Amino acid sequence: DQQVKQNSPSLSVQEGRISILNCDYTNSMFDYFLWYKKYPAEGPTFLISISSIKDKNEDGRFTVFLNKSAKHLSLHIVPSQPGDSAVYFCAASANGNQFYFGTGTSLTVIP
Amino acid sequence: GAVVSQHPSWVICKSGTSVKIECRSLDFQATTMFWYRQFPKQSLMLMATSNEGSKATYEQGVEKDKFLINHASLTLSTLTVTSAHPEDSSFYICSAFSGTSAYEQYFGPGTRLTVT
Repeated sequence: DQQVKQNSPSLSVQEGRISILNCDYTNSMFDYFLWYKKYPAEGPTFLISISSIKDKNEDGRFTVFLNKSAKHLSLHIVPSQPGDSAVYFCAASANGNQFYFGTGTSLTVIP
Repeated sequence: GAVVSQHPSWVICKSGTSVKIECRSLDFQATTMFWYRQFPKQSLMLMATSNEGSKATYEQGVEKDKFLINHASLTLSTLTVTSAHPEDSSFYICSAFSGTSAYEQYFGPGTRLTVT
């Protein structure tokens, strides 16, 4: 049973525009959410996180929004750069015991 | 930031043999390490949680006798795929907590296993 879902397997965005990656979850016990970026044949690298007590966290070009009532979070990248092209995974955790990952969204930023 | 290494990065083995994958935290002590498996175009699937000095906790559907996990020290966890079959071919990734945050984990670069 997929507790974390990323319904868009791929996304293409023009360089300089905003990229919005979406993630939905089903478990209301999740209290921490993370986004990872992954290049082919490499391990994921941590991008940004958000606690359930917040609804927004910003780090440079990356902003994560959390809507607890909708059980939805999104990652905004602005402005998008070609180097941002990768697969993005969202992950969720309840008390840090286990991490559940979405299926990933492949982002392509077109120069 | 914290560094996690995996060895080997790529391994080819024959069906029926066993292969060991090492996961090391290079600059921190990790009481908890996770092992993931990724199939092409699919999500990272948590296989097991490895705690130093105790038995690993396996996720439902993961055969603990086939995927042996040992967390012998605070910097080393190993995953041994026993009697490997072609369907075990996959990308295996480990991760570890750095200790600076209860939630943020650092991933190894992954190991590509191909069973022929």
